[in-house]
This record gives sequence, structure tokens and C-alpha cells, in this order.
Amino acid sequence: DAGITQSPRHKVTETGTPVTLRCHQTENHRYMYWYRQDPGHGLRLIHYSYGVKDTDKGEVSDGYSVSRSKTEDFLLTLESATSSQTSVYFCAISKEVGYTFGSGTRLTVV
Amino acid sequence: KQEVTQIPAALSVPEGENLVLNCSFTDSAIYNLQWFRQDPGKGLTSLLLIQSSQREQTSGRLNASLDKSSGRSTLYIAASQPGDSATYLCAAVNQAGTALIFGKGTTLSVSS
Repeated sequence: DAGITQSPRHKVTETGTPVTLRCHQTENHRYMYWYRQDPGHGLRLIHYSYGVKDTDKGEVSDGYSVSRSKTEDFLLTLESATSSQTSVYFCAISKEVGYTFGSGTRLTVV
Repeated sequence: KQEVTQIPAALSVPEGENLVLNCSFTDSAIYNLQWFRQDPGKGLTSLLLIQSSQREQTSGRLNASLDKSSGRSTLYIAASQPGDSATYLCAAVNQAGTALIFGKGTTLSVSS
């Protein structure tokens, strides 16, 4: 979506390897979020950030860490990927007109 | 803890029909409610945002209402078209800046 970019769009990785997903915004919004989407579970919050170096856990944070060293970038890291982390990952920002989502990253852990 | 439920999970209608998608939430102290559309394999597209002080919002053939006292929101689609086929997601937020809580969605199929 306009103003928010996720990379990579697709990734296949092996169990046990570290993986970092990037979310980049161009509009200087304070709040950023990482969600995962799975069949039968819908969208669930992993972590969110309310400013540079300010982050907090969401509903399904186990196995994930995040970092935000600059306003525009919010990184999601899987320290040691597992098959249960195969999912579609969405980044979002909070704006005055509601929440805007990125196009998603499809991650497959084999 | 806010919980959001959408019923039905799936809906099939013929083209031209007017339809209503339902969303219910457990905590009436919501800040905003937002409806999204998601096409298969794609991201989320925002359709309508209703702020807590509002009762409804309209965009083209779409109308969303919010009744905080009953914990319900509805999305009304007029004169449905095959291009409306998608999954519709309802999400609520309780406080500015806090995360959206999503329902599991209603998958709509409109046949020509």
C-alpha cells in the first residue's frame, strides 16, 4: 500500500535459520505493527512499536523479536525459524484515517 | 480482552442482491472500527473506518454502521457484483495507537 513497503515478498528458509523481515514506511508514523495471518486463526498481533526503541509484545510473540532503530523501519526477526512460523506476515501503520497494511511477506519454513 | 466475531464465515449470493455482513465485539469501549477487504493471496484494503463518535460511514455501494451499546457493526453492500467477491474483515481498536483486533472474516462469493 502507499507509504508502507515490506521486504522480501516471498521467502523460503530452512528450519533453525534466522530470518529478518523488514517493514518500511515513508510517512513518519509513530505506531507500527507486525501481524501474522493463518487459515483458521485470522490475523494475530505479534509485536508492535510506539516509537524508536519502544516495542511491546502482542498475542503471539513467542519465537519472534523486533527492533526499531529508526522511525521508518520496523524489523521482525525469527531467531530460529520453525515450521509453525510458516505464515503470511503483514506490517501495518496507524494513521488518522485508520490502519494501513503492507502487501505482506509469504514465509515458508521447510 | 476485546474479541471480534464475524458471522457468517461464508456467504454466496447472486449478482444484484443487497447483503449484510455482521461483526460483533465484546468490549463496547471501542475507539474505532474498521472494515477491510482481502482478495485471495493479497493484502488488506481498507474500506471504511467508523470512529466511536460516529454511527455510520458510506462509500459508494458500501455502508457500515456501528452500534456500541449492542456491540455490533454491519457492512451493507448494495447491488452486489462478481467483483465484490472477496473476504471481508472487521477489526476493532480500543484505544488510539493500540493494535487492531480482527474477526476471522466473511468470505463472500457473488455469482453472475
